[in-house]
This record gives sequence, C-alpha cells and structure tokens, in this order.
Amino acid sequence: GAGVSQTPSNKVTEKGKYVELRCDPISGHTALYWYRQSLGQGPEFLIYFQGTGAADDSGLPNDRFFAVRPEGSVSTLKIQRTERGDSAVYLCASSLSQGDTQYFGPGTRLTVL
Amino acid sequence: GIQVEQSPPDLILQEGANSTLRCNFSDSVNNLQWFHQNPWGQLINLFYIPSGTKQNGRLSATTVATERYSLLYISSSQTTDSGVYFCAVALRGGGYNKLIFGAGTRLAVHP
Repeated sequence: GAGVSQTPSNKVTEKGKYVELRCDPISGHTALYWYRQSLGQGPEFLIYFQGTGAADDSGLPNDRFFAVRPEGSVSTLKIQRTERGDSAVYLCASSLSQGDTQYFGPGTRLTVL
Repeated sequence: GIQVEQSPPDLILQEGANSTLRCNFSDSVNNLQWFHQNPWGQLINLFYIPSGTKQNGRLSATTVATERYSLLYISSSQTTDSGVYFCAVALRGGGYNKLIFGAGTRLAVHP
C-alpha cells in the first residue's frame, strides 16, 4: 500500500486479557519501529526491527510486551495480561533502511478497562 | 539520556500569521524529523533535517547541528495547520534508529 497501515484502529479489552496489534509497513521498507503515545505526550520508542530480527527492544516496558516480524514485513505487537496502564495509542513506523526518514501509521488506540 | 525541548508549549494564531517553533536537543544527533500530528492523531512527516535548511510550500525548517537546535517556520498560517508539532531526534552512534520525541507544540489557528 501507499503508507503504513495498522489494525485494528481501536481495541477495547478487559484487564488481564491478551491482545495483538498488527502493522503493515510500506512495501520495501526493511526497518520497522513500534512506539507508544500516552495522552498529551510525545510518542515513546518500544522496539526496532531490521529485517526479521529485533535489533533494539530497549523500550519494551516489561516482559508482558513482545513483538515479532517473522518474514521481515508485517509485524505484530503482543501484550499479555493487559493492565489499565497499557492504555495508549500504539504507533508503528517504517523506514527504507536504518537511519532514514520514519513514516508513521495511523495507530491503534488500546483501551484496557 | 538525550533531552529534547520544544517551545513554546502552546501557540494561538490568527489565520494568516507567521510563527516559529523551536527544538533544542542536548546531544549530537544523526537524525532529526519534524512531524505534524493532526486532530485525528495521524503523525505526518514534515521534514527530515539533521542539518541545513529545507522548504516545502509555506513551511521551512533549519537545523544548526553544532548549536543543537532546529527551527520550524510556518508562514501565512491556515486553520488546517492546527494540531501538535513534534520534533524528534535520533542519537549519533549507538541507538541511532530510536527517535526521541519532544513534548510538542500545540498550535491552534483561528479564522
């Protein structure tokens, strides 16, 4: 597609449930990033993939968060045992290669009740 | 870690006015991007500008890397310019792919 796409656009879940968020990067982009944006703040880095491997996962807040990119294209962010504090907009970005301009998707708004 | 400070935090303009937004950063950077987040939450790329000056229509940006600041100029502002403007940087050296965002400048343009 023309841009980065993310699904679902909105996700409401209950505390303790498992969720998966999907990101489709721009075709041909080898680098993929996940960020999280809380209300009124700038996005915060979670994890960066170069190809299939997670090159930097230093932003993941704890071991309930995990992300994969098995074929070097689509990525899934997985959150186990969700907590109310996980509520935020989860943004995905991609770039042609590492260090290039990052293009952001529309985000998934996660609400944990 | 690197600090990214944006000013002013809030800005209210009449349509047609000009404005300058500032971004200060505390370390050498490999990447600097300006984004506009529209009222629907979409982050739109404005400039990739680790150094130098670029212009795109009514917008222009200048980064002086040696003095660790960047400026975004908006001329003849329109109501569609409203939203939040973010500056984001990535460090030179280790972690250069990780964008660190400032807190943003919230712009409201009134007709």
